[in-house]
Amino acid sequence: QKEVEQDPGPLSVPEGAIVSLNCTYSNSAFQYFMWYRQYSRKGPELLMYTYSSGNKEDGRFTAQVDKSSKYISLFIRDSQPSDSATYLCAMKSGATNKLIFGTGTLLAVQP
Amino acid sequence: GAGVSQSPRYKVAKRGQDVALRCDPISGHVSLFWYQQALGQGPEFLTYFQNEAQLDKSGLPSDRFFAERPEGSVSTLKIQRTQQEDSAVYLCASSLGERVTQYFGPGTRLLVL
Repeated sequence: QKEVEQDPGPLSVPEGAIVSLNCTYSNSAFQYFMWYRQYSRKGPELLMYTYSSGNKEDGRFTAQVDKSSKYISLFIRDSQPSDSATYLCAMKSGATNKLIFGTGTLLAVQP
Repeated sequence: GAGVSQSPRYKVAKRGQDVALRCDPISGHVSLFWYQQALGQGPEFLTYFQNEAQLDKSGLPSDRFFAERPEGSVSTLKIQRTQQEDSAVYLCASSLGERVTQYFGPGTRLLVL
């Protein structure tokens, strides 16, 4: 079983919809949680970063971390066709610098 | 631009050939990471440098994989005697010291025939 599980999708939504993406994990030592966006044939780009539990909002994006359930989410409000990409969750513990990624969810926002 | 750059962007190799992939991190970033991303998968950690010191190479899949960063800036990932299963995108990332945020380059897409 992988340390980080993420539904690969694909997920297709109409423009303007609220998108919910999520990951589960098994390693309770994870303390840092990130969401990256990856466009086709590009490198991952950091969207959101959260330390420990709680919520963080940045424009149309909201990240949530529930350490008790080992579950993290990314919400995208008023989704746009330009949001169409693969969304990767990533995590790390305090003891190491390496990131552990989920498989990524492919999102398509239809105009 | 001031981002992480990688070269070549695409590499086709015949099985058994050696390849060398280059990463230029963001200026001043002391930490440098290599990841391997197979098709349809998330990146998987290969190795980590702090300046010129290779502090973690636990993700290197075999002794055919070798990475170096001799002067603490540019890094090279070398794969000897390439195999078809080495076909993947190789991503380089850098970060400022112990900061969590890692900035990724565009990757080198390696195809081994």
